[in-house]
Amino acid sequence: ETGVTQTPRHLVMGMTNKKSLKCEQHLGHNAMYWYKQSAKKPLELMFVYSLEERVENNSVPSRFSPECPNSSHLFLHLHTLQPEDSALYLCASSQDSRYEQYFGPGTRLTVT
Amino acid sequence: RKEVEQDPGPFNVPEGATVAFNCTYSNSASQSFFWYRQDCRKEPKLLMSVYSSGNEDGRFTAQLNRASQYISLLIRDSKLSDSATYLCVVNRGGTASKLTFGTGTRLQVTL
Repeated sequence: ETGVTQTPRHLVMGMTNKKSLKCEQHLGHNAMYWYKQSAKKPLELMFVYSLEERVENNSVPSRFSPECPNSSHLFLHLHTLQPEDSALYLCASSQDSRYEQYFGPGTRLTVT
Repeated sequence: RKEVEQDPGPFNVPEGATVAFNCTYSNSASQSFFWYRQDCRKEPKLLMSVYSSGNEDGRFTAQLNRASQYISLLIRDSKLSDSATYLCVVNRGGTASKLTFGTGTRLQVTL
């Protein structure tokens, strides 16, 4: 596989569930990102990892917990989400933070 | 003022038309600029980077005006397949480098 992949592509979860989103990049990049895209809103940057170290956390609620075990993998652990967290969650990677980013296909999350 | 501002549109144009989008940014220290394309319910895809001297890729031309802090995208000979949302993206650079996305401009090309 090439590029940036994300699993699952669709997820429906209740407010008491715990689930994880997975992202993998096959581009040899050093930086990875999580974004949230809600309907009719711009992309919101959630987390930035550079060389496996978290370098940015944009005031994201603690019910979202990222994990970057190595430069190719990024996870977003979810627990006790709210219905307003329903959105498209996009992962991206770049050579480093100065360069263009390449996105995965996203996980469409619905919280019931 | 938003960091990156775009006219949300929609721009409805006939096939074959030329259409131009503008985007303004507020941080004069911004260092790199991009146009992304996003189809409905899909991920954004890089369309082109924007260089100071302007650059062209087939029917697409991007220009940067640092003095006025705006970026433009020109699409010539529009195709039905160009229908999408076009996102203006600015990188503020430096140690806190990150991309900031505009809300996007919706283009609909019709027969």
